[in-house]
Amino acid sequence: EDQVTQSPEALRLQEGESSSLNCSYTVSGLRGLFWYRQDPGKGPEFLFTLYSAGEEKEKERLKATLTKKESFLHITAPKPEDSATYLCAVQENTGNQFYFGTGTSLTVIP
Amino acid sequence: DGGITQSPKYLFRKEGQNVTLSCEQNLNHDAMYWYRQDPGQGLRLIYYSQIVNDFQKGDIAEGYSVSREKKESFPLTVTSAQKNPTAFYLCASSPSGSGGASLVIFGPGTRLTVL
Repeated sequence: EDQVTQSPEALRLQEGESSSLNCSYTVSGLRGLFWYRQDPGKGPEFLFTLYSAGEEKEKERLKATLTKKESFLHITAPKPEDSATYLCAVQENTGNQFYFGTGTSLTVIP
Repeated sequence: DGGITQSPKYLFRKEGQNVTLSCEQNLNHDAMYWYRQDPGQGLRLIYYSQIVNDFQKGDIAEGYSVSREKKESFPLTVTSAQKNPTAFYLCASSPSGSGGASLVIFGPGTRLTVL
């Protein structure tokens, strides 16, 4: 059973068209939830860590939120340079294992 | 600047050859990881090490081997026993896993292609 599921798999937005990416998880105890941005041919770049339900983090046009079973990455008025794959990962309370989702590929059209 | 370096960026291997991918970090992190990334499958854990001279198998360790002789270095060898090695390989590190959530930092990756 997948511990982390991301949706949608791919998303195309017009420049300025706000939207949200979803990350749902099924681990029993959450130590932390992480969002990364990955450009083609490069390693993932850290964006946010969320620890508990109700927490929010913001960086430029991105805002990440967390509930007990899912996280959202909200993108406000996106620009073409926001085009990338966004990965979600969770770390359980029980150990050092990290579980990654398959990512959402975002394309922002000028 | 602190970070993770991986070399080479691109690697080509003939069938039947072993190849070694380099990973070095200067973040003073205790834990290091190797992930494999294939299109549509996300990141899959190959091996991880929480301390020098110790490492554990991940989900897809068959056909791979690692060593951790120094805290800064965690090389990955892709052996001829790995039947489908063409992929993007990512090395990562994090502080000790005890206590709070441990942020994982990734290297730039090595793309391995079998000819």
